[in-house]
Amino acid sequence: GDSVTQMEGPVTLSEEACLTINCTYTATGYPSLFWYVQYPGEGLQLLLKATKADDKGSNKGFEATYRKETTSFHLEKGSVQVSDSAVYFCALSGVNTNAGKSTFGDGTTLTVKP
Amino acid sequence: GAVVSQHPSWVICKSGTSVKIECRSLDFQATTMFWYRQFPKQSLMLMATSNEGSKATYEQGVEKDKFLINHASLTLSTLTVTSAHPEDSSFYICSATPSGPNQDEQYFGPGTRLTVT
Repeated sequence: GDSVTQMEGPVTLSEEACLTINCTYTATGYPSLFWYVQYPGEGLQLLLKATKADDKGSNKGFEATYRKETTSFHLEKGSVQVSDSAVYFCALSGVNTNAGKSTFGDGTTLTVKP
Repeated sequence: GAVVSQHPSWVICKSGTSVKIECRSLDFQATTMFWYRQFPKQSLMLMATSNEGSKATYEQGVEKDKFLINHASLTLSTLTVTSAHPEDSSFYICSATPSGPNQDEQYFGPGTRLTVT
């Protein structure tokens, strides 16, 4: 079945450092790929998504490119801020499957220190 | 737009009692809503798919008689944890996808923290 593997955390960075959180997936066909962010005590928010190979999703300075050849969707940001501290989830949604049936990675906790 | 609310945001109850959690889509209609459970420092576990006007579809290993789901309208789904026990303590999150052709996005509620004493 479908699966998502995320880089284990926690990740601790200083403000303005570069961020990469690795995400690889296993799925049949061409799934849609997502990154969600969860701030403390809150639900998940969609951060960005990509629906086909070579698509780049971007939002709030974060980017991720759908790499079919490496089955990856790594999250990157060039300069993190303290406010980026949160848990980040990589997820995929199968072809013709409602997004609610998404498969999630285990989450990566990011802490950014001033 | 695309706001999902949950009520209550946190609840403490005694063992053996039942607790109802509401999930509402505030500015869109959702034919389908989803209920997740999240343990500390872990990912989301899909519990069930809630379909308006029909029975919920439960994931393997989830007790349907313990976690009662009702999707009474296109904007409201409820999860009732019956005869709660301490092991049911968790963070419960709902999500909804708007009715229509675009099914690849879902919007999450803020979650409900349940503590069973």
